[in-house]
Amino acid sequence: DQQVKQNSPSLSVQEGRISILNCDYTNSMFDYFLWYKKYPAEGPTFLISISSIKDKNEDGRFTVFLNKSAKHLSLHIVPSQPGDSAVYFCAASMDSNYQLIWGAGTKLIIKP
Amino acid sequence: DAGVIQSPRHEVTEMGQEVTLRCKPISGHDYLFWYRQTMMRGLELLIYFNNNVPIDDSGMPEDRFSAKMPNASFSTLKIQPSEPRDSAVYFCASSGLAGGGYNANTGELFFGEGSRLTVL
Repeated sequence: DQQVKQNSPSLSVQEGRISILNCDYTNSMFDYFLWYKKYPAEGPTFLISISSIKDKNEDGRFTVFLNKSAKHLSLHIVPSQPGDSAVYFCAASMDSNYQLIWGAGTKLIIKP
Repeated sequence: DAGVIQSPRHEVTEMGQEVTLRCKPISGHDYLFWYRQTMMRGLELLIYFNNNVPIDDSGMPEDRFSAKMPNASFSTLKIQPSEPRDSAVYFCASSGLAGGGYNANTGELFFGEGSRLTVL
């Protein structure tokens, strides 16, 4: 049973435009959500996170939006740059549980 | 500061052989995690340690898998005997927070570069 779902295996976006990566979850007990970025032959690196008490968190070109009623979060990258080409993982956790539950990842390709 | 260091980066072995993967966490981190990444199942948590003690090994697939953390700066993941379906990238990650507790509200894990295992 996949508790965190990233339904788009890949996404292609023109450089300079907005990239929107989506993530859905099923467990209403999740109270913290994170995005990680992964380049080939490297481990994932933390990108941005959001607590369930917020609906938006912004860090430079990256913004994460959380819609708790829809159990949906999204990562917006504006403007998209070639270096953003990577696999993006969505992950969720519960404060009472030390585990991160991961989505399958979305491969973002930024076209020049 | 050096990040999480894993070795070997690549391992090719034959079915039935023993495989040992190694990890050195970031100094001062008191949580260490072993993950496995495959195309079919994505990132799976195998086991994690807190202060060198295994806390949750429910993700370890079979008795063929074992993990140890003899001290704060070293951990191993061993597969004996290895099988072709064990082929994957194995990641080690560490995390550390003040007060000795894992604060899910930060959730930031620092990953190593991974060990790519191929079992023929």
